Amino acid sequence: SQTIHQWPATLVQPVGSPLSLECTVEGTSNPNLYWYRQAAGRGLQLLFYSVGIGQISSEVPQNLSASRPQDRQFILSSKKLLLSDSGFYLCAWRQGAGQPQHFGDGTRLSIL
Amino acid sequence: AQTVTQSQPEMSVQEAETVTLSCTYDTSESNYYLFWYKQPPSRQMILVIRQEAYKQQNATENRFSVNFQKAAKSFSLKISDSQLGDTAMYFCAFSQGGSEKLVFGKGTKLTVNP
Repeated sequence: SQTIHQWPATLVQPVGSPLSLECTVEGTSNPNLYWYRQAAGRGLQLLFYSVGIGQISSEVPQNLSASRPQDRQFILSSKKLLLSDSGFYLCAWRQGAGQPQHFGDGTRLSIL
Repeated sequence: AQTVTQSQPEMSVQEAETVTLSCTYDTSESNYYLFWYKQPPSRQMILVIRQEAYKQQNATENRFSVNFQKAAKSFSLKISDSQLGDTAMYFCAFSQGGSEKLVFGKGTKLTVNP
């Protein structure tokens, strides 16, 4: 069966520091991969998605970037975090059109 | 662009009773998919149910069922025999056939009271 791992679960970072969140999927190949951000009590905002290695689509221009160095690995990065980058970050994968997205457990990111 | 509207920001229900969450969507296409996701306080996003637009039959998963009205572009979720563990945010989501993306509603916060 397929599983998705996302880490770390919680992260506290100072303003201006770099960021790297990692997500990996097991048990499938060539999945679509997604990064979302969710503010407290709010809906999901799609940040990036990828349909293949090295292919990244950005939905919202911002302080973040994403990379997909391997088929089942998706990384969310920032060179310098802003206070507004605080939130709950979710990684998801999907196999094929019309299939549901399956989510990781999320990362709570707090910027101080 | 497709939009998904959940008109009930918050709802509550007594344990063992039935509750219906509303969702409407806007699209001009005929091939699409609809989903309900549950996000409990742990914030993990859990797929509840999936509906294919070309299927007339309403999807059912145990105590969860949908009322899919294609002409009205309505996709409501019915939870029967509500349990305390059903307390969560519920998100309705839409995916155009062939699209890479899901469009989410803003969610309905459901509280099940003992």
